[in-house]
Parts: sequence; C-alpha cells; structure tokens
Amino acid sequence: EVQLVESGGGLVQPGGSLRLSCAASGFTFSRYWMSWVRQAPGKGPEWVANIKEDGGETYYLDSVKGRLTVSRDNAKNSLYLQMNSLRAEDTAVYYCAKGADVRPSAFFDYWGQGTLVTVTS
Amino acid sequence: DIQMTQSPSSLSASVGDRVIITCRASQGIGNYLAWYQQKPGKPPQLLIYAASTLQSGVPSRFSGSGSGTDFTLTITSLQPEDVATYYCQKYNCDPETFGGGTKVDIK
Repeated sequence: EVQLVESGGGLVQPGGSLRLSCAASGFTFSRYWMSWVRQAPGKGPEWVANIKEDGGETYYLDSVKGRLTVSRDNAKNSLYLQMNSLRAEDTAVYYCAKGADVRPSAFFDYWGQGTLVTVTS
Repeated sequence: DIQMTQSPSSLSASVGDRVIITCRASQGIGNYLAWYQQKPGKPPQLLIYAASTLQSGVPSRFSGSGSGTDFTLTITSLQPEDVATYYCQKYNCDPETFGGGTKVDIK
C-alpha cells in the first residue's frame, strides 16, 4: 500500500523558515517524480514544486522561486521542502504527491494527508 | 500561464440525477487533463486522467470527455457519497494548474 506521510508544519512568523518532510512507502520511491502541492484555506490546490527521480531537475511555481527548495533522499525514501522567507500567502496545507507519469508535468495518483503551515505575526 | 476555469462553482442535485461539470483551458492542452474528488479534511483523490481514463477503483458512474480546451466530468447517477468538491488539473506542462473547483451536494 502506497503511503505518503508529511511532517514539519506549524506556526511561523513572516520571514521565518520551516522544513517539511514526506516519508514514502509502498512503492519504489526512486523511480518517480515527486511534487509538493498546497491548498490555502477554502481554495483549490496549487502545485508548488517538483523534483526528478534522481533529484537532478527541479521546477517551481514562480511565486516561490528563490524561497522554497525541494529535495529528496532516495536512500531514506524521503521528500523535503525547505521554506525560507515565508509570507502570509504561503499559509496552506502542504501535500506531498506522487507523480503518475514519466514526464515532469504529471497528474498525481497518491497524496499524503497534508501538513498545515500557518504564517502569521 | 494557462488558466483553468470550472463551471458551475457549485450545484445541488437529487440522488440518481446526472451531473455534468465543465472545465475550460485558456489554451489547448491536448488530453492532459485530470479530475479529482476532494471531501472535507481529506486530500484530493484521482478520478480520471488523460481526460477520459478512469483511475483503478473509481466507480463507473464517473466519466470524462473532451480534448483541447473543453472538458467535462459526468456523474451518471449521483450518489450520497459523491458529495464533495471536484477539481480539474492540467498537466501538459508546468505549472500543473488546478481549476477553481465545483462543490456538489444533494438537494
């Protein structure tokens, strides 16, 4: 059974930092593109970033470039999102999602339960 | 960036009704379109990909159609467990944009 379990969310002040983690199991993690998708309260999902199977390519939503960094450790079956210079508009539930296609752009066949990030003073 | 527009934003229908949700892309995206169902407090769940391919385990009352810029999600006989918000998502290229959602409830 595929499982994606996020952790690391919490309350942070504007300008602060957080590191999210996603522990994957039930599939060969190193064979798939992985993404972070966020959902602000009462809004639709918003893709944030993705990373190639070997970590060699990454892509980002324009509004997070230079502030959020996606990485992975295939030996630990883990995905990460380093979040710096956080803004109020980054407040959302952050989901780890498994890409279902060999292409960088993909639909997502499995999602974690999400971790809430709240940016407020 | 390509924008995805869903309509209606909400609808109310009776059990057994046929429900149709539309999704329009601001530019052609081929058939790179997925549909998700999201229930409160849960992550989105994949229903359909490649515009019309049903994900394994999804009931056959769900179907998708369309290509290019215009797509539809159809529920042939609405069931109480289908109460949820439905989102389309394009994935022809980054960013993988989602539509604004259609909230479906029972009349």
